[in-house]
Amino acid sequence: DQQVKQNSPSLSVQEGRISILNCDYTNSMFDYFLWYKKYPAEGPTFLISISSIKDKNEDGRFTVFLNKSAKHLSLHIVPSQPGDSAVYFCAAVPTGTASKLTFGTGTRLQVTL
Amino acid sequence: EPEVTQTPSHQVTQMGQEVILRCVPISNHLYFYWYRQILGQKVEFLVSFYNNEISEKSEIFDDQFSVERPDGSNFTLKIRSTKLEDSAMYFCASSEAGLASAYEQYFGPGTRLTVT
Repeated sequence: DQQVKQNSPSLSVQEGRISILNCDYTNSMFDYFLWYKKYPAEGPTFLISISSIKDKNEDGRFTVFLNKSAKHLSLHIVPSQPGDSAVYFCAAVPTGTASKLTFGTGTRLQVTL
Repeated sequence: EPEVTQTPSHQVTQMGQEVILRCVPISNHLYFYWYRQILGQKVEFLVSFYNNEISEKSEIFDDQFSVERPDGSNFTLKIRSTKLEDSAMYFCASSEAGLASAYEQYFGPGTRLTVT
C-alpha cells in the first residue's frame, strides 16, 4: 500500500521564525511530491512541488527538501507569517499513474504574533 | 487569477437519491479530477478525466459514480443512489496538459454533500 504520512497533526511557530513541516512515505514508488495549503471552507491550494529526481526546490519563502534514502520530505517556510496559518498537506503521485494524488493527513500550522 | 468553481457549495439529499455535483475547471486545463474528504479523514482520489474519458479511478469510484463533461466548460460528478457514507466534501480539480505541469492540480472550494 502506498502511504503518505504526516505524523505531526499540529505545529505552532512564532511570526518571523522558520516553520518546518514533515512528511514520510512508505515506499519508493512515487514520481512527484507536492505541498498544498488549505484554509477552512476552501479547497487545497497548490504551493510547491518536487520531482523525485531532485532533492530541493525553492520558491520564495517556501523550500521543499526530498531525502529519498530516508523516504522523507519537508517544507520550510521562512519567514513564517500569520497568513501562513492553515492546514498543510503533502501529496505524492504514484509511479505508473497519470496524476492521481495520494494525500497525507495534514498538519495544522499556527503562526503566532 | 483563474480558478476552479464548484456548485452548489452545500447539498443535502436523502439516502437513495441521485445527486449531481458541478464544476467549472480552469479554461485552458485539459485534465480534470474529483476527490473527496470525509470529515476527519484524508483527501482521497476518486477519478481523473482526460480527452473525454476516464483515465484513472479509485476503488471508491464504483458503478454508483459517473463523470461527464457535457459541454466545453462544465465537469460533473453524479452519484446515482446516495448512501450515508457518501457524506463528504467533494473537491473538483484541474491541471494543464504536459507531464510535469499535469501534477500541479488546482482545486475548487468544494461541495459539502450531506446524505440523510
